[in-house]
Amino acid sequence: EAGVAQSPRYKIIEKRQSVAFWCNPISGHATLYWYQQILGQGPKLLIQFQNNGVVDDSQLPKDRFSAERLKGVDSTLKIQPAKLEDSAVYLCASSFVVAGASIQETQYFGPGTRLLVL
Amino acid sequence: AQSVTQLDSQVPVFEEAPVELRCNYSSSVSVYLFWYVQYPNQGLQLLLKYLSGSTLVKGINGFEAEFNKSQTSFHLRKPSVHISDTAEYFCAVSRPYGGSQGNLIFGKGTKLSVKP
Repeated sequence: EAGVAQSPRYKIIEKRQSVAFWCNPISGHATLYWYQQILGQGPKLLIQFQNNGVVDDSQLPKDRFSAERLKGVDSTLKIQPAKLEDSAVYLCASSFVVAGASIQETQYFGPGTRLLVL
Repeated sequence: AQSVTQLDSQVPVFEEAPVELRCNYSSSVSVYLFWYVQYPNQGLQLLLKYLSGSTLVKGINGFEAEFNKSQTSFHLRKPSVHISDTAEYFCAVSRPYGGSQGNLIFGKGTKLSVKP
């Protein structure tokens, strides 16, 4: 079974520029997550999708970050404009869990996109 | 709100020695507990998880963890480590129910360095 795919793997931009990351989850996985992992810290959830709807975006800086999951499959995370503190690894994960279910399904992570903002 | 504390940022150990990576959590409700491993330039991979039942959980690569509710701990152990276990290990919790069900809250990670 193919894993979670992310692209690009690396991106270097200057502050105030815009950038977009793409994620293709494991086939059949209804739930998709975007995490931000700053150097020296654990991943922090930015947004959770259930199919093409947003379940939780409480930690997404909405003034500059946006995400969509059209058609409930792949997803795009955008930053516009980027700041120096956005330098991080952006991880995408997917799981089979259905919102409201009590069983914790495993989240499968992609390799991440490493962003450096200069 | 839930939080996770990994007490050691770095753990050096010699090959074939035992290791314990410590994790404590804080939560006012019951939680699920996880350990993930991250190899350099790779995503996170699930080692093991505790949902309910036996407090001793066995995972992949010979790792195990024990849930201790009274001490709010979920320490990860391996009786004999290999060079290939060198990686960063993350402890995480999630809520079983509610609007944020499934969302993982991670600790800051522990870098395990296995020396020959």
